[in-house]
Amino acid sequence: GENVEQHPSTLSVQEGDSAVIKCTYSDSASNYFPWYKQELGKRPQLIIDIRSNVGEKKDQRIAVTLNKTAKHFSLHITETQPEDSAVYFCAAGGSNGAGNKLTFGGGTRVLVKP
Amino acid sequence: NAGVTQTPKFQVLKTGQSMTLQCAQDMNHNSMYWYRQDPGMGLRLIYYSASEGTTDKGEVPNGYNVSRLNKREFSLRLESAAPSQTSVYFCASRGGTPSRAFGPGTRLLVL
Repeated sequence: GENVEQHPSTLSVQEGDSAVIKCTYSDSASNYFPWYKQELGKRPQLIIDIRSNVGEKKDQRIAVTLNKTAKHFSLHITETQPEDSAVYFCAAGGSNGAGNKLTFGGGTRVLVKP
Repeated sequence: NAGVTQTPKFQVLKTGQSMTLQCAQDMNHNSMYWYRQDPGMGLRLIYYSASEGTTDKGEVPNGYNVSRLNKREFSLRLESAAPSQTSVYFCASRGGTPSRAFGPGTRLLVL
C-alpha cells in the first residue's frame, strides 16, 4: 500500500518568514495530493490540493509543488502570520475509483512566533 | 447545511465496554470514512464505505465494525473497548471531488 513520510515534525518560524513542509510517497499510482490544516481541537480542513498532471498550484500565500519523478511534494507558506500556527497534514492517493483511499503523513506542527 | 456531524463529542469507557460512534452527512455524498488520529501518526483509515450498501476495511480495522445505515449515516462500533483504542475518531465524506469533508471528531478515552 501507499506510505507517506512528512518532514519536519515540528517547525518554528518568525512571523513574516516562509515555511516549507515536505512529503514523500511510495506508490507511483497516486495521483491526488491534498494538504489539510488542523487547528487545536478542530477538524482537519482542506487548504490546497494538487493532481499529478500539474506541477505547481498557488492560492494566495500558500503553494504546493509536486515532483512525480522523485515522488515528493511540498507545501510552501509565505509571509507567515500567527493564524498559520496549526498542524498540517499531507496525503496521497487516487482521485478516482471506489473509495479513493488517502494515506496521510504524520503531520507537521507549525508555530509562527510574533 | 450542517456538513458532517458526529456524536458523541467525548466519551469515557471502561475496558470491555461497547459503544457506537454515529456519523451523518447532509451533502448527498456517496463515500464515507472513519479515521482515528493518534499523536504523531496522522490520520489512519479504519473502515470506509464507497457507496450505500458497501463497506471495506482500511489500514487499522481490528476491533471495529461499521454499518452504512443509509446514504447519510455511517456508524462505527467498538464491541469490546481496549485502552489501545483511546484516540480521536473522525468521520469524513466525499462527493464529486476527491477531497474529504471531516466531522468535528469524537474523543474517546478507554480506561
